[in-house]
Amino acid sequence: DVKVTQSSRYLVKRTGEKVFLECVQDMDHENMFWYRQDPGLGLRLIYFSYDVKMKEKGDIPEGYSVSREKKERFSLILESASTNQTSMYLCASRPASMNTEAFFGQGTRLTVV
Amino acid sequence: QQQVKQSPQSLIVQKGGISIINCAYENTAFDYFPWYQQFPGKGPALLIAIRPDVSEKKEGRFTISFNKSAKQFSLHIMDSQPGDSATYFCAATINTGGFKTIFGAGTRLFVKA
Repeated sequence: DVKVTQSSRYLVKRTGEKVFLECVQDMDHENMFWYRQDPGLGLRLIYFSYDVKMKEKGDIPEGYSVSREKKERFSLILESASTNQTSMYLCASRPASMNTEAFFGQGTRLTVV
Repeated sequence: QQQVKQSPQSLIVQKGGISIINCAYENTAFDYFPWYQQFPGKGPALLIAIRPDVSEKKEGRFTISFNKSAKQFSLHIMDSQPGDSATYFCAATINTGGFKTIFGAGTRLFVKA
């Protein structure tokens, strides 16, 4: 079974802190993604990476950055956390081939106070 | 800008009834249309998917209908069961060097026993 593991299920951080969300996948997938999920807005793409050290902005990249130094690991960084970044964050990975599915982690519920 | 529009936002169906969720997309470059199912506390998981050269795909009680000219697709859940109560997301994938998936806003389905 494909496994996408996010390092934390719940996080509480203070405004202004630098926050790291980590994601690891074990299926050698080329593509990895970070989404945030908010009620009524669905899953919105923050960043995705199609290969090591390669990244592309999604629909809502402001306030976030990412790092992909190894194929299996994709990190989301909140440079200076703000209360409007309180959300559920979901990591996903998929192979770089057509007509295949994305596999999601369990999510990280981040609260910024 | 929401590239994939999903409706309704919520849906209540009697056990044994038909649940219908609709989606519309704008970008004709999308080439794969998956539906994901999400239970509380879990990440989304693939339910069923369709390619744009197919008008219908059925897997058990779940059917996708696809209308390429109208840029619309829908999920039908026949004989809906309480265990189908979940949030459903339609999505569309585009190859931009990596395979980027854009999600709809989600539909919360509740099946009454």
